[in-house]
Amino acid sequence: RKEVEQDPGPFNVPEGATVAFNCTYSNSASQSFFWYRQDCRKEPKLLMSVYSSGNEDGRFTAQLNRASQYISLLIRDSKLSDSATYLCVVKRDAGNMLTFGGGTRLMVKP
Amino acid sequence: GAGVSQSPSNKVTEKGKDVELRCDPISGHTALYWYRQSLGQGLEFLIYFQGNSAPDKSGLPSDRFSAERTGGSVSTLTIQRTQQEDSAVYLCASSPGQYRGYTFGSGTRLTVV
Repeated sequence: RKEVEQDPGPFNVPEGATVAFNCTYSNSASQSFFWYRQDCRKEPKLLMSVYSSGNEDGRFTAQLNRASQYISLLIRDSKLSDSATYLCVVKRDAGNMLTFGGGTRLMVKP
Repeated sequence: GAGVSQSPSNKVTEKGKDVELRCDPISGHTALYWYRQSLGQGLEFLIYFQGNSAPDKSGLPSDRFSAERTGGSVSTLTIQRTQQEDSAVYLCASSPGQYRGYTFGSGTRLTVV
């Protein structure tokens, strides 16, 4: 079983739609959680950290459920520019290494 | 510098040759990481540096791979006797410390022919 699992998609949604991605992680000792965005043939870029109480950044909302070892990302009012691969990322408590999920591909259509 | 700089951006090499990839992290970032990403695949961890030491080398795929970091700054990843399966984008990232996200460089696209 992979340490961080995501549905690879693609998720095809119309502009303006709300879309949610889920991610599960296997290591209960994981301490920090992030969502990264990766555009085609580009490097990953930090989208947002995920806090235990949940957090929002504009149209983006991240949630963490430690009991279920589950992370989510909600995107409201999707834009064409949101089309990308979204990577769920987990940091273990030992060391400072981030473990990346395989990514979920989102395609927002006009 | 303003961001993480990697060189070369593209490298085509013949099977069996050695290659050296360079990463210049953000100034002051103590942690440096190497990952690789094969076409259409996720990121595979290779090695992590804290300062000049490498506490975690668990991801290096074979003894043909080595990395060093000097002066707490620039790092080089060396692949000896390259094989076709080494073809991938090699990404370097740096971080100012624990519990912080990474900043990635734009990567080196390695093609072994």
